[in-house]
Amino acid sequence: DIQMTQSPSSLSASVGDRLSITCRASQSISIYLNWYRQQPGKAPKLLIYAASSLQSGVPSRFSGSGSGTDFTLTISSLQPEDSATYYCQQSYTTSFTFGGGTKVEIK
Amino acid sequence: EVQLLDSGGGLVQPGGSLRLSCAASGFTFNTYLMTWVRQAPGKGLEWVSALSGSGGGPIYADSVKGRFTISRDNSKNTVYLQMNSLRAEDSAVYYCAAYCGVDCYLRTDAFDIWGQGTMVTVSS
Repeated sequence: DIQMTQSPSSLSASVGDRLSITCRASQSISIYLNWYRQQPGKAPKLLIYAASSLQSGVPSRFSGSGSGTDFTLTISSLQPEDSATYYCQQSYTTSFTFGGGTKVEIK
Repeated sequence: EVQLLDSGGGLVQPGGSLRLSCAASGFTFNTYLMTWVRQAPGKGLEWVSALSGSGGGPIYADSVKGRFTISRDNSKNTVYLQMNSLRAEDSAVYYCAAYCGVDCYLRTDAFDIWGQGTMVTVSS
């Protein structure tokens, strides 16, 4: 099975900061990598699909990059509503593995 | 409005059974792979099961294989998860999620639409 490893597991940043979260796959997954945001007490929401495509309705401060085994989610200007846990997820195989999550706290 | 409504969760004893339901509206249900994803308290997301738009080829995570059964009724725009031989480690919030794959109009190969989740607690 493909393993997905996210780093860091948590971080703290201020409103307006630029931040990046990394996701690494245990084998090449091409661009079959998605990013989700899960706000406290809510269901996850798709932000980025196919490594770098912005889902409809998602603010442009979110962007994704990478291919193969290494991927990055970037938030260009952190907003209060971005206090959440972020997950990467691979769709290269039908085990649909998620990363362990990155918890983002607003200072 | 595009929506998934999960229901059927509750408290059940170890070894017991429960059936979850997920009612879809606002999108072309039979073009989506329907899936269940769970989240144990304070933990991350774990994919559980998936079923194609036609209802063929169900797939399961190893952790639930042989105990859980996914099914769908396209006439009712509803997907189900029958959970048998439940264990304490199955306790989680269960989310229904619609995966936009090869048959989907704007293919994303991602979980586009999520239900609100239903809590399953396995305890004596």
